[in-house]
Amino acid sequence: GAVVSQHPSWVICKSGTSVKIECRSLDFQATTMFWYRQFPKQSLMLMATSNEGSKATYEQGVEKDKFLINHASLTLSTLTVTSAHPEDSSFYICSARVVQRLARSKWTQYFGPGTRLLVL
Amino acid sequence: AQSVTQPDIHITVSEGASLELRCNYSYGATPYLFWYVQSPGQGLQLLLKYFSGDTLVQGIKGFEAEFKRSQSSFNLRKPSVHWSDAAEYFCAVGVPNFGNEKLTFGTGTRLTIIP
Repeated sequence: GAVVSQHPSWVICKSGTSVKIECRSLDFQATTMFWYRQFPKQSLMLMATSNEGSKATYEQGVEKDKFLINHASLTLSTLTVTSAHPEDSSFYICSARVVQRLARSKWTQYFGPGTRLLVL
Repeated sequence: AQSVTQPDIHITVSEGASLELRCNYSYGATPYLFWYVQSPGQGLQLLLKYFSGDTLVQGIKGFEAEFKRSQSSFNLRKPSVHWSDAAEYFCAVGVPNFGNEKLTFGTGTRLTIIP
């Protein structure tokens, strides 16, 4: 099956620093990539949607200057948490969507293993 | 806007017993429906999906789900659970939007398996 990787798997940083998380689709090209945030024992909250070569579309309440998303290619998207603060500590999960070649209205969304961020 | 409800926060079943996890959605038409499983500290793995057609969907690991339009439900079932099935299960819906669908997740059901 399709594999989505994330790097790093966990990161600890000091308050005020920036952290970059990479998301790669390893064996397929993703039409769209997504970034989610998951709080302990809670569901996933969509932060933003990005298409290769386009600006990301952020969900309401998500600061685009805080969470910078770059979708450089069909296999790579990055999330940079700028000037991180303790409240940004969370589990960040990326996801990549692949569309069926002969039925573009049908697709599958694959998820990365997540990155746990702890801001001290 | 669409919403997803997973009424059971936590379910405990004995190994070898059958399992049914409930999922209800709110949307005026038929959405796309998904079940994902998340093991501790891990990302989500797709178990099965429904777009159209046969309302009984077979997935991986012996799971199946049935779409019931009249009940706005997409319950997940497994005839005999294994200890390795212990995890968090998420139901998700996507409103058809010409390829621009976004997934809305339920709050999850944590499954515990007892010997």
